[in-house]
Amino acid sequence: EVQLVESGGGVVRPGGSLRLSCAASGFTFDDYGMSWVRQAPGKGLEWVSGINWNGGSTGYADSVKGRFTISRDNAKNSLYVQMNSLRAEDTALYYCARVNRPRVGYQYYMDVWGKGTTVTVSS
Amino acid sequence: DIQLTQSPSFLSASVGDRVTITCRASQGISNYLAWYQQKPGKAPKLLIYAASTLQSGVPSRFSGSGSGTEFTLTISSLQPEDFATYYCQQLNSYPWTFGQGTKVEIK
Repeated sequence: EVQLVESGGGVVRPGGSLRLSCAASGFTFDDYGMSWVRQAPGKGLEWVSGINWNGGSTGYADSVKGRFTISRDNAKNSLYVQMNSLRAEDTALYYCARVNRPRVGYQYYMDVWGKGTTVTVSS
Repeated sequence: DIQLTQSPSFLSASVGDRVTITCRASQGISNYLAWYQQKPGKAPKLLIYAASTLQSGVPSRFSGSGSGTEFTLTISSLQPEDFATYYCQQLNSYPWTFGQGTKVEIK
């Protein structure tokens, strides 16, 4: 079964750090890019960051650039995001998602999602 | 950054209705657009990618169209299980972005 399981969420004080992990199973992890998407309570989806299959290309939302770092360990079938200088507005449910594309073309899409891990930034 | 604007933000409809949601991009994105459905307490589910390609397993009453800056998601005959929030997403260039969402509720 294709599966993504996030972990590492919790309560952290403003200015603090947290590292989220996403364990992948049921597919060849290094065949795919990966992304993090978050959803603040009662709000819409916000794309946070993405990484290509080998970590050579990454992207970030403006809201997290310079504070968050995405990475992956293909040997461990795992995706990570290191979150520093956390703010109250980073409070959200963080989803890990697999990035796929058609056999021909680069019209990416996110076809497998985890259940998410909750991050709360509060003093 | 590319902004996506969905309309309407809220839609009230009845079972059997034809429903159309529009997503407009602030600049051209070719067909690098996906649609997702999200139900309360659940992760998003991919419906459509490349603007008009139906994801495997998604009912054929869902369809997508458009290219450039204007896109639509259509549900041909709304079913009880379709009441949810729908999001478009552009994956043309980083940073990828989502529309603000369209909540479809029962009339």
